[in-house]
Amino acid sequence: DAGITQSPRHKVTETGTPVTLRCHQTENHRYMYWYRQDPGHGLRLIHYSYGVKDTDKGEVSDGYSVSRSKTEDFLLTLESATSSQTSVYFCAISESWENTEAFFGQGTRLTVV
Amino acid sequence: GESVGLHLPTLSVQEGDNSIINCAYSNSASDYFIWYKQESGKGPQFIIDIRSNMDKRQGQRVTVLLNKTVKHLSLQIAATQPGDSAVYFCAEISGGSYIPTFGRGTSLIVHP
Repeated sequence: DAGITQSPRHKVTETGTPVTLRCHQTENHRYMYWYRQDPGHGLRLIHYSYGVKDTDKGEVSDGYSVSRSKTEDFLLTLESATSSQTSVYFCAISESWENTEAFFGQGTRLTVV
Repeated sequence: GESVGLHLPTLSVQEGDNSIINCAYSNSASDYFIWYKQESGKGPQFIIDIRSNMDKRQGQRVTVLLNKTVKHLSLQIAATQPGDSAVYFCAEISGGSYIPTFGRGTSLIVHP
């Protein structure tokens, strides 16, 4: 299995609080992604990174920010959590832009109450 | 906007049967199509991909077929096993962006 670790694995937080999810990889892959998974929607891209300090928005980026200060870490922050952000969040990595095979982490289940 | 979807949300088969999971796509400019498998409580796992200039590709017990005329993608699993029970997602990658767009998924249930 690719070396991807997401933390925490589960979190319950209150509406309006900031939350940061961490994705750590040991594969030295250049590209990292954050997806959310909701019933009926499959996986939707939130943000992605194509290098240290290089990030861009995905399909559902509103309410989320990201940072990548090191190759191995990609952080997803919910500045002020809302109930609509209750979801399962997956981090993924890929070696190159042309490589279609992405490796996913185990996911973080976030509940906003 | 462009989207990837699935015909059947749930597919039930008997162990040993062949399974066919279907996917319709709408973006004729997509360069690659990919199948992922997601077991309960885990992240998606890459199964196989196919480039848009191909119509068939085979892997270990799996075959992906691409019909660009009707914008249809299928994943065939031979001799389905209980361990194949999972949600299967198709995804497409469009030219200029190598970020996959995922469909909603099909749940495959294999009965022993």
